[in-house]
Amino acid sequence: TQLLEQSPQFLSIQEGENLTVYCNSSSVFSSLQWYRQEPGEGPVLLVTVVTGGEVKKLKRLTFQFGDARKDSSLHITAAQPGDTGLYLCAGARDSNYQLIWGAGTKLIIKP
Amino acid sequence: GAGVSQSPRYKVAKRGQDVALRCDPISGHVSLFWYQQALGQGPEFLTYFQNEAQLDKSGLPSDRFFAERPEGSVSTLKIQRTQQEDSAVYLCASSRRTRTSGSTDTQYFGPGTRLTVL
Repeated sequence: TQLLEQSPQFLSIQEGENLTVYCNSSSVFSSLQWYRQEPGEGPVLLVTVVTGGEVKKLKRLTFQFGDARKDSSLHITAAQPGDTGLYLCAGARDSNYQLIWGAGTKLIIKP
Repeated sequence: GAGVSQSPRYKVAKRGQDVALRCDPISGHVSLFWYQQALGQGPEFLTYFQNEAQLDKSGLPSDRFFAERPEGSVSTLKIQRTQQEDSAVYLCASSRRTRTSGSTDTQYFGPGTRLTVL
């Protein structure tokens, strides 16, 4: 059972378009992290959101943590081919250091 | 400085063989994690070390899996009598601090070892 559901699983769009990736759960998390993983590499942390309703921006990437801390979204503006990769969300709970991972969204940006 | 390194990067084993996967964490990092990532999936937690102590091995799928970190730095994940379902990428991650309640220390991942069991 996947505790963190990511959608869509796969997305292929043209350069310059906008997109949103979702990470949803019925569980509350103390924090949620977004990673990007490229083929043959390990995941690299992009951002950690901690407060319900928090919005963080990283250049063209905007991350939002839901008010109830059960869901999160990643919005990319004017996608570039360099944004191509597997985007993973991972939730943490106060009492447990284990991260709960989503299955990932495979994103392809076509030039 | 150097990141997390893992070796070998690729390993092909015949069913029933034993394998050993190595992880060199970032120097000075206290915490070390092993994950298993199946094709098209997110990582799944296997085990956690704080220095040389294995504090959590709840994610190890069977008693064929064994991990150690005897001197609190390099770690080895050993899989005995490999099965086809063990085929996956095995990721190692390290972080600077201990995992205290409520903390979200950044985990730095290695490139992984892709294990294929024939």
